[in-house]
Amino acid sequence: SAVISQKPSRDICQRGTSLTIQCQVDSQVTMMFWYRQQPGQSLTLIATANQGSEATYESGFVIDKFPISRPNLTFSTLTVSNMSPEDSSIYLCSVELQGDYEQYFGPGTRLTVT
Amino acid sequence: KQEVTQIPAALSVPEGENLVLNCSFTDSAIYNLQWFRQDPGKGLTSLLLIQSSQREQTSGRLNASLDKSSGRSTLYIAASQPGDSATYLCAVTVTGNNRLAFGKGNQVVVIP
Repeated sequence: SAVISQKPSRDICQRGTSLTIQCQVDSQVTMMFWYRQQPGQSLTLIATANQGSEATYESGFVIDKFPISRPNLTFSTLTVSNMSPEDSSIYLCSVELQGDYEQYFGPGTRLTVT
Repeated sequence: KQEVTQIPAALSVPEGENLVLNCSFTDSAIYNLQWFRQDPGKGLTSLLLIQSSQREQTSGRLNASLDKSSGRSTLYIAASQPGDSATYLCAVTVTGNNRLAFGKGNQVVVIP
């Protein structure tokens, strides 16, 4: 298994600002993912964070709004840019250990945009 | 596109009763299926992982079955306790792309 931490755990932000969320894993992992969970909804995959190259975004999500970095095999960041109240969600990172095909999730970042 | 449905959306049971949570998916070409637990405002805890070649997995009071051909999985929780109150999420890994498709969850309340 893997131990995943996220920072911050929660934040309240003003409309039009940006927030960067950090995800740290206690071991090297091949695959890292970012998900969004809007209030009352299930999880939606935003993108796959690729080490050393640009992230792979799902339909409906774009790099300008959700830039992602992955400088090494244990760390990734997701930025939520130019926020609006519709961005209020829980953002979660997950990892898949090599050859495991089981995903492990971080504790999430609860974002409220006012 | 893989669609995952969980029924019922919400249920309340008295302590000690067995819980039965259902998950269905539209595309049987899955690599595996995972059941997760989510407490309010928190992240996900992995409960059970069933590979596509398996029929069931057990962990303590939890048992999950998988019928890939009919696109169904069931999570059984025996002798429920108030601490089992949470939302249970079912997710399938689509073959070939590592992506998880989630259902909306079963919100469970166990009444003492």
